[in-house]
Amino acid sequence: AQTVTQSQPEMSVQEAETVTLSCTYDTSENNYYLFWYKQPPSRQMILVIRQEAYKQQNATENRFSVNFQKAAKSFSLKISDSQLGDTAMYFCAFLNAGNMLTFGGGTRLMVKP
Amino acid sequence: DGGITQSPKYLFRKEGQNVTLSCEQNLNHDAMYWYRQDPGQGLRLIYYSQIVNDFQKGDIAEGYSVSREKKESFPLTVTSAQKNPTAFYLCASSIGDRGPSGYTFGSGTRLTVV
Repeated sequence: AQTVTQSQPEMSVQEAETVTLSCTYDTSENNYYLFWYKQPPSRQMILVIRQEAYKQQNATENRFSVNFQKAAKSFSLKISDSQLGDTAMYFCAFLNAGNMLTFGGGTRLMVKP
Repeated sequence: DGGITQSPKYLFRKEGQNVTLSCEQNLNHDAMYWYRQDPGQGLRLIYYSQIVNDFQKGDIAEGYSVSREKKESFPLTVTSAQKNPTAFYLCASSIGDRGPSGYTFGSGTRLTVV
């Protein structure tokens, strides 16, 4: 079974600055997908970014990028030019060969004006 | 537009009652899932279904039941055997073959025991 660990329960960042959220995972699989989801106060889960394990290149979506270190089983999310609307819970998730998604415990991010 | 609809948004249950949470999707997804989220915590898997007329228990299935009679629908019943049902419940679906889109989520149901 996979485990996903987010070691930062809460973080804060000043508006316009950059913040990095950490995620590590444990698996014996070689081919898998990793995701970051955002859950704002509305509680809607929104896909932020995804990474395919067989791709060396780190995924990027506008202000969001990841640092995927497969050997270290690390998958951090960097948010550049933070905006007030980025305030939310962020969940790291692992998709295994059986199409089952396992979530980390989440990091609550507060963007301060 | 395609998506997942959960209803109701808020639900109140009296002690000893069974209640059913609705989840409907029009994305033509094969797989559907139910998660429970407690305050400040991550998502825990209750039940999942990879195909119509088949479903499997997740990590915290005790006190819950599901059915999957139609591809579009995956209702969750919270039974009186669930001793602490107050939580936020999220339904999700996926194309079922590990596509890169991951899961699509509904907007959730907040269940409170009164």
